[in-house]
Amino acid sequence: ILNVEQSPQSLHVQEGDSTNFTCSFPSSNFYALHWYRWETAKSPEALFVMTLNGDEKKKGRISATLNTKEGYSYLYIKGSQPEDSATYLCAFRSGGATNKLIFGTGTLLAVQP
Amino acid sequence: EAGVAQSPRYKIIEKRQSVAFWCNPISGHATLYWYQQILGQGPKLLIQFQNNGVVDDSQLPKDRFSAERLKGVDSTLKIQPAKLEDSAVYLCASSFFGETQYFGPGTRLLVL
Repeated sequence: ILNVEQSPQSLHVQEGDSTNFTCSFPSSNFYALHWYRWETAKSPEALFVMTLNGDEKKKGRISATLNTKEGYSYLYIKGSQPEDSATYLCAFRSGGATNKLIFGTGTLLAVQP
Repeated sequence: EAGVAQSPRYKIIEKRQSVAFWCNPISGHATLYWYQQILGQGPKLLIQFQNNGVVDDSQLPKDRFSAERLKGVDSTLKIQPAKLEDSAVYLCASSFFGETQYFGPGTRLLVL
């Protein structure tokens, strides 16, 4: 059974703080690692799709790194804003015929003004 | 570009009743997915369609859940009869040939 773990489970920060989360996934048969942001009552929004070991991606104040050899990815948010409050999900895709995603349980971020 | 549409957004039913959810994917997206997200867990794939054919339904509880995508566009997911443990958010997603899956807002189901 493939296991994807995220930590911490939840995080409360003050506006302006920088923060980071971890996603751990199987290091064998890796194909891709996805990050999604899911705000309450909205659709999960794709942030990044990462495929290469050592990949670093950036979107505004959010960036992510990938280490496929050791099976982890970090998501960083620089200068958190209240609108960053959401659940951040990572999802692992192994090599194979389907593009089935295995999701972690998410990190719930609350940014207080 | 219109996103993935789902309805209803919320549904409350009693156990042993039936319920159906509808999904309209992004135009042109051949692949459609249904996920179940139980509180405190990550979304779990129930079924994946490629056009109107099933690619993966290994985690679909087939004794009570069914799904179809007759014309390769819209899809419906049905639960009959519902159990308390079916209370969850049901997410629909679609993708083109790329890796990214685009999600709808989900249907929140509460079974009493």
